[in-house]
Amino acid sequence: SAVISQKPSRDICQRGTSLTIQCQVDSQVTMMFWYRQQPGQSLTLIATANQGSEATYESGFVIDKFPISRPNLTFSTLTVSNMSPEDSSIYLCSAWGWLDRGRAKNIQYFGAGTRLSVL
Amino acid sequence: AQRVTQPEKLLSVFKGAPVELKCNYSYSGSPELFWYVQYSRQRLQLLLRHISRESIKGFTADLNKGETSFHLKKPFAQEEDSAMYYCAFRVRGKLIFGQGTELSVKP
Repeated sequence: SAVISQKPSRDICQRGTSLTIQCQVDSQVTMMFWYRQQPGQSLTLIATANQGSEATYESGFVIDKFPISRPNLTFSTLTVSNMSPEDSSIYLCSAWGWLDRGRAKNIQYFGAGTRLSVL
Repeated sequence: AQRVTQPEKLLSVFKGAPVELKCNYSYSGSPELFWYVQYSRQRLQLLLRHISRESIKGFTADLNKGETSFHLKKPFAQEEDSAMYYCAFRVRGKLIFGQGTELSVKP
């Protein structure tokens, strides 16, 4: 079974609407991240999701556009707000810093991604 | 600036040929380096970590601090090695990726 589950796996949305992507990890983890992979491009880090506090955003990404929640050590959401066609991309959740002693602490896993198309 | 550079966007070889996917990094400290692979229609997965000094699926990668490189090598490529390969390093807990190299192994 997957270490990280994301949903939805894909969606087609209208311009101006918002989409919330959910990420569930199968055991407690200290660090969770959200990445974007635009068509034909590499992965770009959007933000670090911090448990119990505001996310830490990378240059070029802002909270109003990409609000992130992390209510506990196994779950996070990313919202893509007021979408435009330029937001069409794959969004990936990632995690490392596993607290479960049965898993290597520093291996970073990725979800399967959410493929978003904005019309 | 901290970055990872993969100079080749596409590398095409024949089955049985040696493969070297290049990766150079720019970082003033001691980086933690990785190779990730993404097979068609599969999620991104870890292939190698430099701290493990292991060989996975016949691939090895050696950290060369003098040349700031972490090239991925395999002596004999297989068709199932065809995939996207990403070099990455972890800085202050964050994983930063290179642009990726598509490896195509032809029969």
